[in-house]
Amino acid sequence: SQKIEQNSEALNIQEGKTATLTCNYTNYSPAYLQWYRQDPGRGPVFLLLIRENEKEKRKERLKVTFDTTLKQSLFHITASQPADSATYLCALPGDTGFQKLVFGTGTRLLVSP
Amino acid sequence: NAGVTQTPKFQVLKTGQSMTLQCAQDMNHEYMSWYRQDPGMGLRLIHYSVGAGITDQGEVPNGYNVSRSTTEDFPLRLLSAAPSQTSVYFCASSYRTGGGYGYTFGSGTRLTVV
Repeated sequence: SQKIEQNSEALNIQEGKTATLTCNYTNYSPAYLQWYRQDPGRGPVFLLLIRENEKEKRKERLKVTFDTTLKQSLFHITASQPADSATYLCALPGDTGFQKLVFGTGTRLLVSP
Repeated sequence: NAGVTQTPKFQVLKTGQSMTLQCAQDMNHEYMSWYRQDPGMGLRLIHYSVGAGITDQGEVPNGYNVSRSTTEDFPLRLLSAAPSQTSVYFCASSYRTGGGYGYTFGSGTRLTVV
């Protein structure tokens, strides 16, 4: 069955550096992949969507890549700021139905000044 | 434009009690869903709806009921609360199913069953 893996360990980086988060998936070929940000005590907030025919997508300081051969998406935040500290979730349409968006467990990013 | 509104924000129930978590959206979104989020488990889909009058089960539907009589509202009913249902519940909506539209989430309901 479908499996989504995100690094459960927190990623600690210094302000100004580029943060790179990884989302790996198995047993599936999704038509698209989404990234969300979640702050403590809040609901996830949609950031970006990348489709299977797109290699890369950018939005301000965010960049997402989608490698359907490696079954992997990378999420980059350039010139990171302490305000970028949050948990970042990737999500894929379910292999049992595209109506069922399936989420990874998320990676916590901590940006120190 | 309020987005997705969930009530209540916090609730404590006794085992066996029933209750309804409310969810309303004002964006005329076709798709609505309920997730629960537990530590180490991530978000898991409980039920979803692709339009008024249409609902279906997600990954963890047992112990929960839903209905969708209007486009705006999608309440989640706990039939007989159990401690295993202690969790944070999120309602989400999306413009349309398929095609990959981002979800808008509510702020969540933190439920404790004692």
